[in-house]
Formats: sequence, structure tokens, C-alpha cells
Amino acid sequence: SQTIHQWPATLVQPVGSPLSLECTVEGTSNPNLYWYRQAAGRGLQLLFYSVGIGQISSEVPQNLSASRPQDRQFILSSKKLLLSDSGFYLCAWNRPSTEAFFGQGTRLTVV
Amino acid sequence: AQSVAQPEDQVNVAEGNPLTVKCTYSVSGNPYLFWYVQYPNRGLQFLLKYITGDNLVKGSYGFEAEFNKSQTSFHLKKPSALVSDSALYFCAVRVSISGAGSYQLTFGKGTKLSVIP
Repeated sequence: SQTIHQWPATLVQPVGSPLSLECTVEGTSNPNLYWYRQAAGRGLQLLFYSVGIGQISSEVPQNLSASRPQDRQFILSSKKLLLSDSGFYLCAWNRPSTEAFFGQGTRLTVV
Repeated sequence: AQSVAQPEDQVNVAEGNPLTVKCTYSVSGNPYLFWYVQYPNRGLQFLLKYITGDNLVKGSYGFEAEFNKSQTSFHLKKPSALVSDSALYFCAVRVSISGAGSYQLTFGKGTKLSVIP
């Protein structure tokens, strides 16, 4: 069966520090991968998606970047965090015709 | 633009009563619709989906949803609510990613369901 791992679960980082959040998927190959941000426990904003290794598309301009160095690995990064980067970050995967499956999320607090 | 709307920010229902969480959609062509549930500080869990076939879709934890093409709705329902059903519920629609030959999910803003003992 397929599983998705996302870590860390919580993170407190100072303003200006770098960020690296990692997501890996097991039990499938060539998944579509996604990073979402959820603000204030509500709506989900799609940040990045990837349909293959090295293929990253951004939905909104921002202080973040994403990379897919391996088929089942998706990384969210920042060189210098801003206070506004605080939020709940969710990684997800799916096959083109199926529902998406989500990781457990990372609560990022920038102080 | 293809989207879903959840008109209620919050729904309160007494334990044991039927519950409905509303969702309407706006898509071109045949919609692929989904419901997810989120518990505090957790990821989203898939409940059910409609792709084609019967308009009444049954999912996890006793939930079901009714696809209504004429009303462009996909309301989530449960005959008898439990306190443990209290959570945030999201409706979503599959949207094609232009030029990529793939899809993403576009989510509604979410509805907070509170089941009162």
C-alpha cells in the first residue's frame, strides 16, 4: 500500500533562517506531488506541484521554492524565512485519475 | 474558472441528528468531486469521491454525498451525527493543469462541523 511521510511535524524558526521540509511517498511510482499551505486552519492554497523529477510548477509568487530530486521525494525550501511564511504546510500525492493523499502536515512558526 | 464553494463556515448539529455539509461546484465538462475531513493539526483524510455512475456515493465513517447535476451540488451527508465527527470538512474538484497533462485538486474554504452532545 502507498504511504506518504512528511517531516518535521512542528518547526519553530527565526526570521531570516533557511527552511527545508521533506516529503516522501512509498508504494507507488511517478506520482504527482503537491505542496499546499493552510492559513488559520482553513483554506488550502496550492504552492507547488510536480508531475515528474525536476519538473516543478509554482502557483503563486512567494519566498519559497520546491525541488524534486527523486521520483518520490518533494522538498519545500526557503533561503530566508519571513514572518508571513508561518502556517501549516501539507504535502500530497496522487495519480492523475485518483484522489489525493495527504501527509500529516508541518506546523511552521517563524519568530 | 473551475471551483467549488462551501457556503457555510460552520455547521452545528446535535448528536444523533442527520447532518449536511453543503458544496456547490462550477466546472466545464464532467466534474470529479471529492470530500475530505481534517482533524486539528492533522493532514486531510479522503472520505469519498464522485467520478461517474450513481449519484449517491458512499464513503468512509458512514458518510455519503449526493451528486446533483441540475443544482451543481455535491452535499455531504450522514444520517446520525457523532461527537467524533466534529472536524473541518473540505469539498474539492479536480482541475486540469494546463500544459502538463495532469490534474490538481482545488479546494473549498472548508466548513467546521460541530456535533453537540
